[in-house]
Amino acid sequence: DAKTTQPTSMDCAEGRAANLPCNHSTISGNEYVYWYRQIHSQGPQYIIHGLKNNETNEMASLIITEDRKSSTLILPHATLRDTAVYYCIVRAFNTDKLIFGTGTRLQVFP
Amino acid sequence: SQTIHQWPATLVQPVGSPLSLECTVEGTSNPNLYWYRQAAGRGLQLLFYSVGIGQISSEVPQNLSASRPQDRQFILSSKKLLLSDSGFYLCAWKEGADQPQHFGDGTRLSIL
Repeated sequence: DAKTTQPTSMDCAEGRAANLPCNHSTISGNEYVYWYRQIHSQGPQYIIHGLKNNETNEMASLIITEDRKSSTLILPHATLRDTAVYYCIVRAFNTDKLIFGTGTRLQVFP
Repeated sequence: SQTIHQWPATLVQPVGSPLSLECTVEGTSNPNLYWYRQAAGRGLQLLFYSVGIGQISSEVPQNLSASRPQDRQFILSSKKLLLSDSGFYLCAWKEGADQPQHFGDGTRLSIL
């Protein structure tokens, strides 16, 4: 699976959009981009995933660049409860292994 | 809707004691099931996964084992725990090949 690179930490004001970047320059054609988050002492929570088109659900939007070498997770109106570690993961369609890196620690402040 | 249950939530065990952690999933059939471990301050490491009853694949050789006695039950075991087995153990499930994995709330295991 392709390796991902994320900033160690980010801050965001409550009510503003949080844009979390992820680089996956070695991604191959059959690999999906997944985003999870982990609030302290809880299991990871699935947020969104995509292959090459931009995706949106009730939690977030996922923007994937045309060359698929990077993506951005957007939380449109961050709340204090969005404070968590966010993981960007690249996974091939036909494998089961999710390789979690160290993620981005997002701190939402009032 | 589907739900996943893990127990216990926390566990303190002495070195050399046995271990049994249980995970069950409701609201689905023939899910893929997974056991992960997260050491303090680290990312998740896949330990075992199962695509069906009695089918277990191991990702990391160690003194842990997994079993799947029923379709929606996944058990993580050890005969003799080591200090290095301390960590946060997470069970996950998914339904289809292109579906995401969904995680339980985990068991925090401390070895003394």
